[in-house]
Amino acid sequence: DGGITQSPKYLFRKEGQNVTLSCEQNLNHDAMYWYRQDPGQGLRLIYYSQIVNDFQKGDIAEGYSVSREKKESFPLTVTSAQKNPTAFYLCASSMTGTGNTIYFGEGSWLTVV
Amino acid sequence: QKEVEQNSGPLSVPEGAIASLNCTYSDRGSQSFFWYRQYSGKSPELIMFIYSNGDKEDGRFTAQLNKASQYVSLLIRDSQPSDSATYLCAVNRPSNDYKLSFGAGTTVTVRA
Repeated sequence: DGGITQSPKYLFRKEGQNVTLSCEQNLNHDAMYWYRQDPGQGLRLIYYSQIVNDFQKGDIAEGYSVSREKKESFPLTVTSAQKNPTAFYLCASSMTGTGNTIYFGEGSWLTVV
Repeated sequence: QKEVEQNSGPLSVPEGAIASLNCTYSDRGSQSFFWYRQYSGKSPELIMFIYSNGDKEDGRFTAQLNKASQYVSLLIRDSQPSDSATYLCAVNRPSNDYKLSFGAGTTVTVRA
């Protein structure tokens, strides 16, 4: 089945650690995105990539990093510089820009312990 | 002013009734509008998208767009307990075709 796979579903991070969230899609979409969701708030865009080997900062990129070495993959690293990383992280993809519908993966819960 | 605003709810409706959800947006140049449903602890799933003024119907769901008044609404007819979820409104940003602005969502509870 075509879709977006995120892993791990649950992740615990100690203070000062970097962690990487995986996102793989087999929809043949060019564009991929990372969003963060906090309780009672809308989704906020962290990074997006229009095409392989290219990515752009979203609205809240500080403390995060990404790479796009393959069309199918868009991993997100939450660095120790992100002071409040506990959140629900959502990877998404679309054919091109958001005039085309974006589809979400199942999400990853990150908790700082 | 927030880019996309929704009533947070909760909106409680009896089973079989119509649930009406509203969303207003600030950028008059927005052209693409989306409704997502999100069950507790799950990721958003697309319900409908609408680009043109007027109504668009898909099964029990109807999206209504009024660009002049800058609002988009979602009607859920014959509401079912399985419709209990948070509904997110999303609007494209004309300044960047790769960015959507999301509302905080309206929580709907359908009473059996």
